[in-house]
Amino acid sequence: NAGVTQTPKFQVLKTGQSMTLQCTQDMNHNYMYWYRQDPGMGLKLIYYSVGAGITDKGEVPNGYNVSRSTTEDFPLRLELAAPSQTSVYFCASSTTSGGSTDTQYFGPGTRLTVL
Amino acid sequence: AQSVTQPDIHITVSEGASLELRCNYSYGATPYLFWYVQSPGQGLQLLLKYFSGDTLVQGIKGFEAEFKRSQSSFNLRKPSVHWSDAAEYFCAVGAAGGATNKLIFGTGTLLAVQP
Repeated sequence: NAGVTQTPKFQVLKTGQSMTLQCTQDMNHNYMYWYRQDPGMGLKLIYYSVGAGITDKGEVPNGYNVSRSTTEDFPLRLELAAPSQTSVYFCASSTTSGGSTDTQYFGPGTRLTVL
Repeated sequence: AQSVTQPDIHITVSEGASLELRCNYSYGATPYLFWYVQSPGQGLQLLLKYFSGDTLVQGIKGFEAEFKRSQSSFNLRKPSVHWSDAAEYFCAVGAAGGATNKLIFGTGTLLAVQP
């Protein structure tokens, strides 16, 4: 049971380039999330998904896109990378029962630098 | 608006000493409260959570936290700190009965342990 996996671990981009951060979970969780973590700022929610085919914006969605075609995968797309997107990105997943907030399980993160 | 405040950015304690990390929240409804720990270069791991019932919650690694509604606090404690506890600690609040399972994170407290 691998939990939540993310690739790549590290990435350097030039301004204007695009890339996709991959996230996969094998726990059959219906909820998945993308966060970014900046120094001294905690985690900010970028996008989340409550199930395959359903996504919604979080607190800081600008400059990002997501899709959720399967339960397992929740890729995050940066179309035109900017230096302000330099950050550590975490993917997480959780399940729910009766509408209650349940524990979120986190991947190891992707450290992205945009030059 | 919902928010979480961790007043201490950085704390240093001696190994074997007791520890208390502070967390205050602002939330209009009944909160679900979490403490996560992040070791260097790793993702976040759940230490403990409070949903309802007994206000003193036991977690992993010998940690506990106490929910005090009157003070809007959920402070994390450990009676005797070990060198391996050096990490960053995040408090988070979620919605009781929320349909989206979203969490609001504090900015974190970085714990250093002196030998």
